[in-house]
Amino acid sequence: GESVGLHLPTLSVQEGDNSIINCAYSNSASDYFIWYKQESGKGPQFIIDIRSNMDKRQGQRVTVLLNKTVKHLSLQIAATQPGDSAVYFCAENMPLPERGSQGNLIFGKGTKLSVKP
Amino acid sequence: EADIYQTPRYLVIGTGKKITLECSQTMGHDKMYWYQQDPGMELHLIHYSYGVNSTEKGDLSSESTVSRIRTEHFPLTLESARPSHTSQYLCASSSPGQVYGYTFGSGTRLTVV
Repeated sequence: GESVGLHLPTLSVQEGDNSIINCAYSNSASDYFIWYKQESGKGPQFIIDIRSNMDKRQGQRVTVLLNKTVKHLSLQIAATQPGDSAVYFCAENMPLPERGSQGNLIFGKGTKLSVKP
Repeated sequence: EADIYQTPRYLVIGTGKKITLECSQTMGHDKMYWYQQDPGMELHLIHYSYGVNSTEKGDLSSESTVSRIRTEHFPLTLESARPSHTSQYLCASSSPGQVYGYTFGSGTRLTVV
């Protein structure tokens, strides 16, 4: 399953399929990007990150792709499992020169992933 | 297991009451944040702090106030709660140079009746 366009509030996939969640970020100066997973009743949890000098980073069953030309970030989940059902947020860090590299994270709108057994 | 704690988890309170949402972290992080999360899931930054005695307003205007007297503690106070304050409030912390972004608490779900 794949979310289309800049943002899709919900994405439903079959268990075992691959999921792709897309995100458009806003600032070309952003230097660091993170994907978070938020399960019901919990706070967001870190999944994977990528720096702006990279195009791709892989974790366990997850891959993040960064396209700086079009300011687009995607999260790919391989072999999606019921435990992957959650809301997924992308976040970008825009550096503040007066505060070193770390600015405040700017969060995108979440995508709710539902996994059908 | 996250080392950032929010209390209470759920709170139902009457209009006009003063409330304080607690947030504590044991990681020694300098920066702390409060986010308001609406039913549409988007996170809005309402307050943040660079360290002790530092407080800043975030992107979303809020009638709440915060204080940072100790590194580990970042409480949020509403002097007079209103139904429009009904929301989920998330606290987070981070450290300069931390490569894993923010660590979030589990949130406080506030309902003002």
